[in-house]
Amino acid sequence: AQTVTQSQPEMSVQEAETVTLSCTYDTSESDYYLFWYKQPPSRQMILVIRQEAYKQQNATENRFSVNFQKAAKSFSLKISDSQLGDAAMYFCAYSAGGNTGKLIFGQGTTLQVKP
Amino acid sequence: GAVVSQHPSRVICKSGTSVKIECRSLDFQATTMFWYRQFPKQSLMLMATSNEGSKATYEQGVEKDKFLINHASLTLSTLTVTSAHPEDSSFYICSARVGPGNSPLHFGNGTRLTVT
Repeated sequence: AQTVTQSQPEMSVQEAETVTLSCTYDTSESDYYLFWYKQPPSRQMILVIRQEAYKQQNATENRFSVNFQKAAKSFSLKISDSQLGDAAMYFCAYSAGGNTGKLIFGQGTTLQVKP
Repeated sequence: GAVVSQHPSRVICKSGTSVKIECRSLDFQATTMFWYRQFPKQSLMLMATSNEGSKATYEQGVEKDKFLINHASLTLSTLTVTSAHPEDSSFYICSARVGPGNSPLHFGNGTRLTVT
């Protein structure tokens, strides 16, 4: 069975600094997708970034980038120039290729941004 | 962008009663919607896949007679929690995707259910 593990329940970062959130996963599939979702206090789930497993290039979205290490089954999220609005719970998620509706989520990391 | 609307955002019901939660895709058609459940400060767990015009597919351990899902149109899926008990209190989130199976999900704003 596929699993997703986030080993950092809480992280904090100073405003304008950089922080990296860790995620590891386990799967025997070769075709899959990885995601980072943000859940602010409003509880709305917001897609931050997505990575296709077949792509070697790390995905980036403005201040957000990932370090995708397929052999190590690691998928970390780097947030650069952290802003107060980045404070939220961040979930790493996995889905097997072909059905991104069946997401397997990690436990989540609560990110605090200090002014 | 694609919008998924969920109603109500909060509901309190008495133990033994049933409550219905609606999930609508506002600007796109969704043949498939997904229902997740989230306990406080915990992760999201997929409960079931809602298929328009056919029966829902439930994940292992989810009671299909307790959590009734109906997907009668391309823009509406409903989750009915029947004979609710306090342990059913949770945050329920629906989602849908625009496009093929590998498209990312768009989530509703969730429903906080409290059973007294």
